[in-house]
Amino acid sequence: NAGVTQTPKFRILKIGQSMTLQCTQDMNHNYMYWYRQDPGMGLKLIYYSVGAGITDKGEVPNGYNVSRSTTEDFPLRLELAAPSQTSVYFCATRAGTTYEQYFGPGTRLTVT
Amino acid sequence: GESVGLHLPTLSVQEGDNSIINCAYSNSASDYFIWYKQESGKGPQFIIDIRSNMDKRQGQRVTVLLNKTVKHLSLQIAATQPGDSAVYFCAENWTGGGNKLTFGTGTQLKVEL
Repeated sequence: NAGVTQTPKFRILKIGQSMTLQCTQDMNHNYMYWYRQDPGMGLKLIYYSVGAGITDKGEVPNGYNVSRSTTEDFPLRLELAAPSQTSVYFCATRAGTTYEQYFGPGTRLTVT
Repeated sequence: GESVGLHLPTLSVQEGDNSIINCAYSNSASDYFIWYKQESGKGPQFIIDIRSNMDKRQGQRVTVLLNKTVKHLSLQIAATQPGDSAVYFCAENWTGGGNKLTFGTGTQLKVEL
């Protein structure tokens, strides 16, 4: 089992560019989450999904979009990158039976 | 709004000593708490959890204590080792708030040889 995988590991974007951060899980978990972590800070929830076809906003959704067409994949889309979106992005999953979340290795994004 | 916070941003301990990392939470309705460990360049990793109907839970070298009266959570690490050096986060869940965890800002634990 690979668990939660994220691609790419690193990315540098210019202001105004767009990109999609990929997240894939092979644990058959219904719940998936996207967080951002700024330097020296905790995790802030961007979007989450309770199952395929269902998504909802978290604490800091502005500037991002998500989709959940399958159980396995939960991509995060940045349409017009801004320097404020420079951060490390983590994807996480959760089974429906516990509250524990399993995290991917993260994507480090720099917008200049 | 409700939030979870930590008292100490950095904690330095000698190898072999016990470490205590503290966390204050403000939502008295929170019913589940988790401690995560995050090593440099990696995603958070589950350490231990506790439900609000308990006040203590032990794992391997770790113990979590919950004091609901003062809304305080602590993580105790016995015989701290260099591999314990990391940032530790507490997170709370409130079932009535949806399927989300709220994370604190983290404490950096540094183990000195």
